[in-house]
Amino acid sequence: RKEVEQDPGPFNVPEGATVAFNCTYSNSASQSFFWYRQDCRKEPKLLMSVYSSGNEDGRFTAQLNRASQYISLLIRDSKLSDSATYLCVVTYTNDYKLSFGAGTTVTVRA
Amino acid sequence: EAQVTQNPRYLITVTGKKLTVTCSQNMNHEYMSWYRQDPGLGLRQIYYSMNVEVTDKGDVPEGYKVSRKEKRNFPLILESPSPNQTSLYFCASSPLVTSGEGEQFFGPGTRLTVL
Repeated sequence: RKEVEQDPGPFNVPEGATVAFNCTYSNSASQSFFWYRQDCRKEPKLLMSVYSSGNEDGRFTAQLNRASQYISLLIRDSKLSDSATYLCVVTYTNDYKLSFGAGTTVTVRA
Repeated sequence: EAQVTQNPRYLITVTGKKLTVTCSQNMNHEYMSWYRQDPGLGLRQIYYSMNVEVTDKGDVPEGYKVSRKEKRNFPLILESPSPNQTSLYFCASSPLVTSGEGEQFFGPGTRLTVL
């Protein structure tokens, strides 16, 4: 079983729609969580960190559920430019390794 | 401009011919790391380094070597490449806050094909 799992999608949504997806992690020693965005085989870039209390950055909302061991990303009012692959990243207590999910692909159509 | 550079960006080689992919960052980051990305598997960490002369294995270190003689450079060495090392490789750096909490800054990637 992979340490970090994501629904690969694709999520195909119209402009203006809301789309949400989850990332599950198996290691309870997981400490920090992030969402990265990757465009078409380019380098990943940090979208947002995920805090225990949940956090929002414009149209993007990230939440953490430690009890059920998953994080989520919600995109409101989708734009064409939101089309990308979203990678979930997990770090661990007392360990300098990082684990990436395989990514969730979102396609926003006009 | 703050950046991570990788060279070469594209490489086609043959089985067994030693190669090195260079990675350099100009942000004075302590933490550097190498990943490979394969379809359906996402990014998998090969090796990482917390500082000069301090390296450790990631999830898929077999067939790779690294060195960290200077803070800014973190080359990836394939002593005897094999076709299963055909992949897209990314180098990344970050400040070492705690346990990798710092934002990872990625290089543009190196697409390697081993025939």
